[in-house]
Amino acid sequence: AQSVAQPEDQVNVAEGNPLTVKCTYSVSGNPYLFWYVQYPNRGLQFLLKYITGDNLVKGSYGFEAEFNKSQTSFHLKKPSALVSDSALYFCAVRDIFQAAGNKLTFGGGTRVLVKP
Amino acid sequence: GAVVSQHPSRVICKSGTSVKIECRSLDFQATTMFWYRQFPKQSLMLMATSNEGSKATYEQGVEKDKFLINHASLTLSTLTVTSAHPEDSSFYICSARGDRGEETQYFGPGTRLLVL
Repeated sequence: AQSVAQPEDQVNVAEGNPLTVKCTYSVSGNPYLFWYVQYPNRGLQFLLKYITGDNLVKGSYGFEAEFNKSQTSFHLKKPSALVSDSALYFCAVRDIFQAAGNKLTFGGGTRVLVKP
Repeated sequence: GAVVSQHPSRVICKSGTSVKIECRSLDFQATTMFWYRQFPKQSLMLMATSNEGSKATYEQGVEKDKFLINHASLTLSTLTVTSAHPEDSSFYICSARGDRGEETQYFGPGTRLLVL
């Protein structure tokens, strides 16, 4: 079975400071990892993904994430947060060797609040 | 690219009526579409996976006779909530994955259903 943990329900950060949103995962095979952002009453917007290759992945809006296989983590980072980054962030994993390999499993979400 | 639309964005209906929600991939062909349900301040719960031209695969605990899914074309999937009750009130989100080995799921903006 595959699972995702986002240990922080909420992260508060001052505008201009670095932002980190944590994510750890568990799969039986190799993971495909994703980050999505959700604004109020909206669907999810794709930020970035790790499939293979370079462990540091760069995505939309200045976000990046680092795949760490030994720590089974895929933390999302942004060097300088903006107030407009305030939203709900979801980490998701897909186990490519799982029989039902289509499915994404989502973490519980982390609310980010960037204060001016 | 990779735009997914949902219609309607918001619907209010009386208990006992049926509601149809459409999910369209606007600029790509989606061999697989997914339907999720999201409760307030919670993560996404996968309801079912639909592949074009075949029956949907429902997750455990999801009533297939209550949540009818049709994926009649490569750009359209519909979810019909039959005989809706107040407990069906929720935020329903669809996603679509392309047909070129694309690993990313792209999400629609969601449909807020309120059953009175």
